[in-house]
Amino acid sequence: GAVVSQHPSRVICKSGTSVKIECRSLDFQATTMFWYRQFPKKSLMLMATSNEGSKATYEQGVEKDKFLINHASLTLSTLTVTSAHPEDSSFYICSARGGRQGGWETQYFGPGTRLLVL
Amino acid sequence: GIQVEQSPPDLILQEGANSTLRCNFSDSVNNLQWFHQNPWGQLINLFYIPSGTKQNGRLSATTVATERYSLLYISSSQTTDSGVYFCAVGVRRDTGRRALTFGSGTRLQVQP
Repeated sequence: GAVVSQHPSRVICKSGTSVKIECRSLDFQATTMFWYRQFPKKSLMLMATSNEGSKATYEQGVEKDKFLINHASLTLSTLTVTSAHPEDSSFYICSARGGRQGGWETQYFGPGTRLLVL
Repeated sequence: GIQVEQSPPDLILQEGANSTLRCNFSDSVNNLQWFHQNPWGQLINLFYIPSGTKQNGRLSATTVATERYSLLYISSSQTTDSGVYFCAVGVRRDTGRRALTFGSGTRLQVQP
């Protein structure tokens, strides 16, 4: 149990285009989902927190108009990178919280999406 | 915000050796998790351990919340244990923000 999926796993796009990344909790309802970003050989940095049906809360320094987050249901959150540029290239990872397994506070992570903007 | 420090940053072991990874944090926490990030980037939950001791096979973890540190023990290491080990902590705030703050990780390489 407590599986989180992400799609796509890898995407290459041209500069100026928009890319949507989906995050799904497969066997539990996620009251809260989180989006992280990881640069090579670095740690994970929180970008935003989203609760189902409400606006996302962005961390300081994260442009909400650049990284659009929609948490439409208790099992799906999407991150859209708008007008992507090469500096947006990174590894994006989502996580979900809300499953009973492991405790209510436990977060489960998706496999990540590697974005390369040319 | 809360600070999370992990040590050592890098560790090279021979197969079969034991190791201890440490995580220090600067404030009281409601959540502490240990993860193993494999070479493909997947974060694998090892332990949810805001306090106390847990064991799972060759791995065990102890968190002393009053002294603000946690330890991850790996015994009889195998080459498949290689990767990055992250400690992450969460603090419950009035705003309801419960995201995890990650340490910088310990990069483990187990040699055959």
